[in-house]
Amino acid sequence: DSGVTQTPKHLITATGQRVTLRCSPRSGDLSVYWYQQSLDQGLQFLIQYYNGEERAKGNILERFSAQQFPDLHSELNLSSLELGDSALYFCASSVGLLNTEAFFGQGTRLTVV
Amino acid sequence: AQSVTQPDIHITVSEGASLELRCNYSYGATPYLFWYVQSPGQGLQLLLKYFSGDTLVQGIKGFEAEFKRSQSSFNLRKPSVHWSDAAEYFCAVGEAFGNEKLTFGTGTRLTIIP
Repeated sequence: DSGVTQTPKHLITATGQRVTLRCSPRSGDLSVYWYQQSLDQGLQFLIQYYNGEERAKGNILERFSAQQFPDLHSELNLSSLELGDSALYFCASSVGLLNTEAFFGQGTRLTVV
Repeated sequence: AQSVTQPDIHITVSEGASLELRCNYSYGATPYLFWYVQSPGQGLQLLLKYFSGDTLVQGIKGFEAEFKRSQSSFNLRKPSVHWSDAAEYFCAVGEAFGNEKLTFGTGTRLTIIP
């Protein structure tokens, strides 16, 4: 158990819908990272938050957004969903700004039908 | 831009045999290098990492990796594999001095046969 909790574990939704994925980082970790793992794109970095503020952006679509709350949990919002958004979404957390040892959650598997 | 290549999509080895998984990276400066393992239905677990210093790095579960700057490689090795090592292995590179993200390779799926 990495200490990073992601909910829900599985999500099935229809195209055009909006979903929210939740991540609770390890106790004491200030950074949260979101990654997408799909068959065609592999593991891709989406976005990082540090202590409530956006720190870095990767290949995140405009339809996607995230935030980190004062209690440090984070949410990834995916809207206007398309079939191609079906993937495993991972959250990871680390103590500080440097991703020297990020701990990953078990992921949320999103299926868009 | 940084990139990682794992040339072997799938490797099959016998239990007890030695293992080497290949990883080549592209990065202009000194990289941070990582190996992660992903078991079915699980998240990624860090096996080992290299930042600087000794180029031979020891990790968990009996794994080690060697950083070779001249070859831009960071290959993962284990002298004797166990059936529980069957999983997907990802090599990743991060920027030194303030990295906010990791760039992952496409992964190598390891199958262990009795």
